[in-house]
Amino acid sequence: SYVLTQPPSVSVAPGKTASITCGGNNFATESVHWYQQKPGQAPVLVVYYDNARPSGIPERVSGSTSGNTATLTISRVEAGDEADYYCQVWDTRRSHHAVVFGGGTKLTVL
Amino acid sequence: EVQLVQSGAELKKPGATVKISCKVSGYTFTDQYMHWVQQAPGKGLEWMGLVDPEDGEAVSAEKFQGRVSITVDTSTDTAFMELSSLRSEDTAIYYCATGVGTGSFDYWGQGTLVTVSS
Repeated sequence: SYVLTQPPSVSVAPGKTASITCGGNNFATESVHWYQQKPGQAPVLVVYYDNARPSGIPERVSGSTSGNTATLTISRVEAGDEADYYCQVWDTRRSHHAVVFGGGTKLTVL
Repeated sequence: EVQLVQSGAELKKPGATVKISCKVSGYTFTDQYMHWVQQAPGKGLEWMGLVDPEDGEAVSAEKFQGRVSITVDTSTDTAFMELSSLRSEDTAIYYCATGVGTGSFDYWGQGTLVTVSS
């Protein structure tokens, strides 16, 4: 089955840049979406179709892909960015719909 | 404003069946797939399956095949997820989520906690 690999944790100091990676198959043919989840809350979409931001998501949050790695980058990190982050793709290798999430990365703001 | 409002918390015994609802508003129900996502305590997100409200066709993840049923009632703009043969490992928060086509999950319900315990 399709697997998306994320580091379990990333730590960053306030004001610095956090990079969260997502290893997959071939992001040239698949679109990646990213979600932020804070404790006790439902996930929130923060990046869609690799690098687009929904309204209300600050410009310091960005996404990119290269080969089989997608990256969520948060610049000028704030305490409020501390959360779990998940990448997600549709597994297009299958004959029917299937959705895959990465295992999630806990972002800690030091 | 798009809203997905889920039914309340459930306590079930092992072997029982649970049915959770997700009532939507703010968009045309039949225009977007409805997905269900499981999150066990302290764990990540796991996709369970989806339904196309346009025709009621549902697809489930291999892990849940045979135990999950995802349906809709277009007269009330409500989606349902029924999970049978419950076991302790099914204790989790279950979310409904929707988005356009094979894209992102743009909107999420608030989650429903299901506890399986004897």
